[in-house]
Amino acid sequence: DSGVTQTPKHLITATGQRVTLRCSPRSGDLSVYWYQQSLDQGLQFLIQYYNGEERAKGNILERFSAQQFPDLHSELNLSSLELGDSALYFCASSVGGRANEQYFGPGTRLTVT
Amino acid sequence: AQSVTQPDIHITVSEGASLELRCNYSYGATPYLFWYVQSPGQGLQLLLKYFSGDTLVQGIKGFEAEFKRSQSSFNLRKPSVHWSDAAEYFCAVVPRTGNQFYFGTGTSLTVIP
Repeated sequence: DSGVTQTPKHLITATGQRVTLRCSPRSGDLSVYWYQQSLDQGLQFLIQYYNGEERAKGNILERFSAQQFPDLHSELNLSSLELGDSALYFCASSVGGRANEQYFGPGTRLTVT
Repeated sequence: AQSVTQPDIHITVSEGASLELRCNYSYGATPYLFWYVQSPGQGLQLLLKYFSGDTLVQGIKGFEAEFKRSQSSFNLRKPSVHWSDAAEYFCAVVPRTGNQFYFGTGTSLTVIP
């Protein structure tokens, strides 16, 4: 158990819908990272927040957005969902703003039908 | 272009045999180097990491990795594989001047009795 929690564990929704994935970092960690793992794209970094502010951006679609709240939990919002958005979405956290070492949550499996 | 390469998509070994998983990177300066393991349906667990110093790094579960600057490699090894080691293994880097993880495409390990 890494100490990073993600909810829900599984999510099934239809194309065109919007979903929110939630992540709670390890106690004391200020940075949260979001990743997408799909069969065709592999593991891709989406976005990082550090203490409430966006720190780095990767291959995140415009239909996706994220935020980190004052209590440091983070939410990843996915809208206008497409079949290709079906993937495992991981959250990770680290103490500082550097990505030197991250602890990963168990992931949320999103299925878009 | 910067990249992380895991040339072996799938490896099968017998239980008790030795294992070596290959990882090569292409970055200007030696990045921070990591190996993660992912069991089916699970999140990513950190096996070991290399930041600097001794080029032979010991990790959890009996794994070790050797950094070779001349070959831009960070290969993962285990002297004697156990059936529970069957999983997907990911090599990852964080550039020294960057702030995000780049993952290889993964190597799937099957262990046969």
